Amino acid sequence: GESVGLHLPTLSVQEGDNSIINCAYSNSASDYFIWYKQESGKGPQFIIDIRSNMDKRQGQRVTVLLNKTVKHLSLQIAATQPGDSAVYFCAEKEGGSQGNLIFGKGTKLSVKP
Amino acid sequence: ETGVTQTPRHLVMGMTNKKSLKCEQHLGHNAMYWYKQSAKKPLELMFVYSLEERVENNSVPSRFSPECPNSSHLFLHLHTLQPEDSALYLCASSQDAWAGGGAFFGQGTRLTVV
Repeated sequence: GESVGLHLPTLSVQEGDNSIINCAYSNSASDYFIWYKQESGKGPQFIIDIRSNMDKRQGQRVTVLLNKTVKHLSLQIAATQPGDSAVYFCAEKEGGSQGNLIFGKGTKLSVKP
Repeated sequence: ETGVTQTPRHLVMGMTNKKSLKCEQHLGHNAMYWYKQSAKKPLELMFVYSLEERVENNSVPSRFSPECPNSSHLFLHLHTLQPEDSALYLCASSQDAWAGGGAFFGQGTRLTVV
């Protein structure tokens, strides 16, 4: 599942620090957003989602923030662990569309022990 | 595991071959998807099935032919592929296609066309 060949932004953090991964989206009609994690050799794994009527949603160690004014989405990971090392994708869905998730390029997160 | 199973995990085929990818979900979902993940592009949606009917076809060449015999199974039939079709093919499912519930992905089939 790696995106070899695709130039991915990389974020390198120390174990135990907080990570913030950013995503810009372009479609103002998008009303639903998801963050996925993809480890090498695996399919994308659902992390957390948020609808456009919210600006913040929290999960276990993760928080997603949505700023519709500037069309920006972020994923915050608290107390980052080595197991968090992966490529993270944001995805958006246009309101009224049938399941057409548009994915970003992804950000590679590397956690240093 | 996510409840979405894809077989085979790896496939090497010649340009004149015909092969099929299989996807099975045990989540009771009503929507299933095929995505392509290649080295040079972000994840691309290929097909969407909702309640066994195809509802989206994102301008995919006819050498890719999907089939959804029931809500738990999805196939992607491949014939006369090109080397540039080499990629990771991912199947996903979600509760339904409209509400945008998180799609759950399988592990993918790594396809190499020689």
